[in-house]
Amino acid sequence: GQNIDQPTEMTATEGAIVQINCTYQTSGFNGLFWYQQHAGEAPTFLSYNVLDGLEEKGRFSSFLSRSKGYSYLLLKELQMKDSASYLCASLNSNYQLIWGAGTKLIIKP
Amino acid sequence: IAGITQAPTSQILAAGRRMTLRCTQDMRHNAMYWYRQDLGLGLRLIHYSNTAGTTGKGEVPDGYSVSRANTDDFPLTLASAVPSQTSVYFCASSAAGVSNEQFFGPGTRLTVL
Repeated sequence: GQNIDQPTEMTATEGAIVQINCTYQTSGFNGLFWYQQHAGEAPTFLSYNVLDGLEEKGRFSSFLSRSKGYSYLLLKELQMKDSASYLCASLNSNYQLIWGAGTKLIIKP
Repeated sequence: IAGITQAPTSQILAAGRRMTLRCTQDMRHNAMYWYRQDLGLGLRLIHYSNTAGTTGKGEVPDGYSVSRANTDDFPLTLASAVPSQTSVYFCASSAAGVSNEQFFGPGTRLTVL
């Protein structure tokens, strides 16, 4: 079967760093996406990785290890506005996104 | 304003009724998608369309139908709504290419009683 695992909820402090992990098992693999979703809103794109390694984009970075079926999203210098759910999704061999249930990130002052 | 719109924003529907959720994008994207999002579950693909005139079934297509008469519009129809179809429905679109991000509409919150 196809499966995406990520923690249900995480808590971090404003100004700190947090790493949100994701493991995936999908039929084929064509890349790994991370999206941000604020409560009551639509998901918005954060990053796409298809090759192993770290992609940095401002305060957000995303890492991929294809051999381990593993990715993480790293958020630095956390701000209150980063409180949201973070969705991991794997693009399978049919070019369909298989989504995790999301990690709710709570930022405390 | 370029983007993707959905209507209605929310709807309460009696079981057995027919309902069409509307989705329109003005970005000239080839691909469009319908997802449902339920608490504790990831987004699940209902139907998709890679280009105008073609549609395909996703992970949870039963009870839903779609059409793609033109590039901009991708309506989702529930022929006879059931309570298990209570969910938040998101429409999305993307340009051609594997790595192209999907842009999401604001969602429709549907309650079937």
